[in-house]
Amino acid sequence: AQSVSQHNHHVILSEAASLELGCNYSYGGTVNLFWYVQYPGQHLQLLLKYFSGDPLVKGIKGFEAEFIKSKFSFNLRKPSVQWSDTAEYFCAVDSNYQLIWGAGTKLIIKP
Amino acid sequence: GAVVSQHPSWVICKSGTSVKIECRSLDFQATTMFWYRQFPKQSLMLMATSNEGSKATYEQGVEKDKFLINHASLTLSTLTVTSAHPEDSSFYICSARLGETQYFGPGTRLLVL
Repeated sequence: AQSVSQHNHHVILSEAASLELGCNYSYGGTVNLFWYVQYPGQHLQLLLKYFSGDPLVKGIKGFEAEFIKSKFSFNLRKPSVQWSDTAEYFCAVDSNYQLIWGAGTKLIIKP
Repeated sequence: GAVVSQHPSWVICKSGTSVKIECRSLDFQATTMFWYRQFPKQSLMLMATSNEGSKATYEQGVEKDKFLINHASLTLSTLTVTSAHPEDSSFYICSARLGETQYFGPGTRLLVL
């Protein structure tokens, strides 16, 4: 069965630190890849997505992610986090038009 | 663009009653919508895929007679929890697909007493 794994369940960083959240998936075929974010008390929002083309995709709020096919990875990065980035981040893979979700990573940014 | 709404945002009901949750795509048409359930500290669990004009496709372990889904128009899907029990208390989230991307509603918190 296809699966998505996010390596860190909780990450705590100070403001201005660099961020990288890992995401690996098991499906070997063509995939669409997504990162969603859920801010406290808010609903899921699309952060960025990869369908094809340039494997480095840029999303909203300064986030980017790199698709590395050989590693089955789609890691999320941000060079300098802000307190407002405190949220839960979900990686998801589209398989047959259904999303397979990672368990999520709770990111806490210390002011 | 790509806004999805849910109504109600929260509901409290007595055990044995039925509750209907609406999911609307406000600025686009969606032939496919999805219903999820989110347990505390867990990721989303897909319950069913709702297709406009046809029967929903339920995931394994989800009772179709308990969770009735109707997708009568391109902008509205409804989930009815029938004969609700306390174990049905949860956070229900819908999404609507636009192209190859799902856009999510704000969720409905259901508490069954």
